[in-house]
Amino acid sequence: EAAVTQSPRNKVAVTGGKVTLSCNQTNNHNNMYWYRQDTGHGLRLIHYSYGAGSTEKGDIPDGYKASRPSQENFSLILELATPSQTSVYFCASGEGGALDTQYFGPGTRLLVL
Amino acid sequence: GDSVIQMQGQVTLSENDFLFINCTYSTTGYPTLFWYVQYSGEGPQLLLQVTTANNKGSSRGFEATYDKGTTSFHLQKTSVQEIDSAVYYCAMREGSGTYQRFGTGTKLQVVP
Repeated sequence: EAAVTQSPRNKVAVTGGKVTLSCNQTNNHNNMYWYRQDTGHGLRLIHYSYGAGSTEKGDIPDGYKASRPSQENFSLILELATPSQTSVYFCASGEGGALDTQYFGPGTRLLVL
Repeated sequence: GDSVIQMQGQVTLSENDFLFINCTYSTTGYPTLFWYVQYSGEGPQLLLQVTTANNKGSSRGFEATYDKGTTSFHLQKTSVQEIDSAVYYCAMREGSGTYQRFGTGTKLQVVP
């Protein structure tokens, strides 16, 4: 049973449209993270959360919002999608702390036309 | 600020070759260092972690070592197999830091 799931797995959006990517975890971890993965850039952190109701900016938050309505769910929102946001997005959960192992979901492939 | 540099973008080896991937880091604190592996079509998963206390870690035939003097950490495996073909990411979390920083990844292709 996958502990971190993402939906949708694939998404095609139009420029200027709103996109919501969803993540659910059953690890009961406090921390959750959203990354994008691009060739030559690796994994870059967009937003993260310490728990329900909390969202924090990562290294590349511009153009993205995040929402953490519960311990289990963490969403990434693109209010006005642009072609530069075409990427693969990964959600992860972790316990936090110095030895924080992150558990990743399978990823969402987003294409913005 | 904290940073991680992973220079090798792609490595091609033959089966039973020796693997060595290097990362360098920059931080003012005491880091925990991680290696993640990502197989095709999947999310990354933890392979190894190394702290400044133990300097070394091993898992699934892979070994990670850390050199505080050169602020670098390495992933190595004596004899790679085709199933090891994947992308390998190094990552660092500074002791009091809020999240991990990842390198840019090394794509390993092992040919039979």
